Amino acid sequence: NAGVTQTPKFRVLKTGQSMTLLCAQDMNHEYMYWYRQDPGMGLRLIHYSVGEGTTAKGEVPDGYNVSRLKKQNFLLGLESAAPSQTSVYFCASSYLVFYEQYFGPGTRLTVT
Amino acid sequence: KQEVTQIPAALSVPEGENLVLNCSFTDSAIYNLQWFRQDPGKGLTSLLLIQSSQREQTSGRLNASLDKSSGRSTLYIAASQPGDSATYLCAAPVLAGGSQGNLIFGKGTKLSVKP
Repeated sequence: NAGVTQTPKFRVLKTGQSMTLLCAQDMNHEYMYWYRQDPGMGLRLIHYSVGEGTTAKGEVPDGYNVSRLKKQNFLLGLESAAPSQTSVYFCASSYLVFYEQYFGPGTRLTVT
Repeated sequence: KQEVTQIPAALSVPEGENLVLNCSFTDSAIYNLQWFRQDPGKGLTSLLLIQSSQREQTSGRLNASLDKSSGRSTLYIAASQPGDSATYLCAAPVLAGGSQGNLIFGKGTKLSVKP
């Protein structure tokens, strides 16, 4: 099992550009999460999904959209990137609510 | 609202020492608590998940304890090695407001084990 994978690993965007981050898991997990990690702020939840076709907002959802068209994939989109979105983005998944969460390796995004 | 705190932010110990990392939480109605390890530039690796009904959970040289009444969890590392150098994070799931298990993280303790 590959666990949780994220694509790409690194990306540099100019302000106003758009991009999509892909998260994939092969553990048949229902729940998937997108977090961002910033120095001094720790990890914060952006959006999450409790199953295929469902999404919901987390703590810091502004400027992001998500989709879960397939159970194994959770996409995070930035429609118009801003420098404040420079961060490391982590995807996580769990079998059910309150189960152990497994994290991907992260995507380091820089917006100039 | 659950808040999770880890003190100290950084810790340096000589190799071979037994050590304890601390994690405090404000809401004692905790469902479980998860400890992670993060190496520089890498993702989070789950170390232990301790349920609210448990007092301890062990994996190899690691032992996590949970005391809901005092709002504390500790991660004990026995016979520390340089390879244990990393940032250790604890996290608890949000329970209020229709939570779906999203985690509240502490800011971590950066551990350095010197040879």
